[in-house]
Amino acid sequence: RKEVEQDPGPFNVPEGATVAFNCTYSNSASQSFFWYRQDCRKEPKLLMSVYSSGNEDGRFTAQLNRASQYISLLIRDSKLSDSATYLCVVNKRGLTGGGNKLTFGTGTQLKVEL
Amino acid sequence: NAGVMQNPRHLVRRRGQEARLRCSPMKGHSHVYWYRQLPEEGLKFMVYLQKENIIDESGMPKERFSAEFPKEGPSILRIQQVVRGDSAAYFCASSPPAGLADTQYFGPGTRLTVL
Repeated sequence: RKEVEQDPGPFNVPEGATVAFNCTYSNSASQSFFWYRQDCRKEPKLLMSVYSSGNEDGRFTAQLNRASQYISLLIRDSKLSDSATYLCVVNKRGLTGGGNKLTFGTGTQLKVEL
Repeated sequence: NAGVMQNPRHLVRRRGQEARLRCSPMKGHSHVYWYRQLPEEGLKFMVYLQKENIIDESGMPKERFSAEFPKEGPSILRIQQVVRGDSAAYFCASSPPAGLADTQYFGPGTRLTVL
């Protein structure tokens, strides 16, 4: 079983739609959770951190359920520019107390269409 | 404040040659990480370094791969005797010292093609 699992998609949605991505992780010791965005052949860019209380940044809402080991990302009013691959990322802080090793899902591809 | 810098951006090598990939972290960042992304796959952790120390190399292949982060200069990922399977995008990330934040910021990557 993969440490971080995501539906690969692609999700093809019309502009203005609401789309939701889900992710599950297997390591219950994971401590930090993120959504990154990766455009074709470019570096991953941090979209947002994910907290148990849920957090929102404009049109983006992320949620973490530690009991179910489940992470979600909701995009409202999707734009053409939202087309990208969305990466679910978890980490477990190293024993040294510093730094961390990110574990990436394979990503969910989103295509927003006119 | 410049972001994470990587060079070269594209590197072509023939089988058996050596590849050297360089990464300069963001100013003030003392932690460097290397990840590899094979075609159509997710990013996989390779190695985590601090200045002059390898902290975690659990993701590094046992042979031909090595990494360093000297006191002065960039971090280097070195691949000896490259094979076609080494063709991938290699991303470097950096983060601040422990206790300040654990967010990692990625460089633009080096795309290695082995002929």
